[in-house]
Amino acid sequence: EAQVTQNPRYLITVTGKKLTVTCSQNMNHEYMSWYRQDPGLGLRQIYYSMNVEVTDKGDVPEGYKVSRKEKRNFPLILESPSPNQTSLYFCASSLMDRVYEQYFGPGTRLTVT
Amino acid sequence: GQNIDQPTEMTATEGAIVQINCTYQTSGFNGLFWYQQHAGEAPTFLSYNVLDGLEEKGRFSSFLSRSKGYSYLLLKELQMKDSASYLCAVTSTDSWGKLQFGAGTQVVVTP
Repeated sequence: EAQVTQNPRYLITVTGKKLTVTCSQNMNHEYMSWYRQDPGLGLRQIYYSMNVEVTDKGDVPEGYKVSRKEKRNFPLILESPSPNQTSLYFCASSLMDRVYEQYFGPGTRLTVT
Repeated sequence: GQNIDQPTEMTATEGAIVQINCTYQTSGFNGLFWYQQHAGEAPTFLSYNVLDGLEEKGRFSSFLSRSKGYSYLLLKELQMKDSASYLCAVTSTDSWGKLQFGAGTQVVVTP
């Protein structure tokens, strides 16, 4: 089944404790992206990647890191999480020439206390 | 950058038609698209407009006017399952992969 998977689905952590949210897709998509979704603000793009070893900042990259060493994986790293990073996070992927048609993962709900 | 506006909430009756407007301001428009998001779920792609005019897909249609910075999503023959948030988004010529979404319009369909 074609899908985007994220792990973990739920995470409660404390301020300053490094964490990684994994994202993997099995559709051979070149493009992958991370978003956060907060009430009243909609989806905001954190980072995106047009292909392996190519990453670019979205609108809200501060406090996050990404890497794209393999085509299928695009982990999101929070080196020192803070409470304002409490949010619902979505990973998405698409073909490079169809970035408007993205396939989203199920989401990761992160709480930082 | 882009600024995207859409209404926060709309209510309509089952079987009726609802039109969700979206206005945008962008430095280099390259396309507008709509997603549907049911509560507690991930967004799913609905439609994409790059040229002016109407794109029809079954009960859903999307319209674009680039000169006015305006789009709408038309939902016809509303069904209860259409109750969801509808997200308008744009991409620009400056960066094809950089997407900006509006805050979403919550559509509530009543019996």
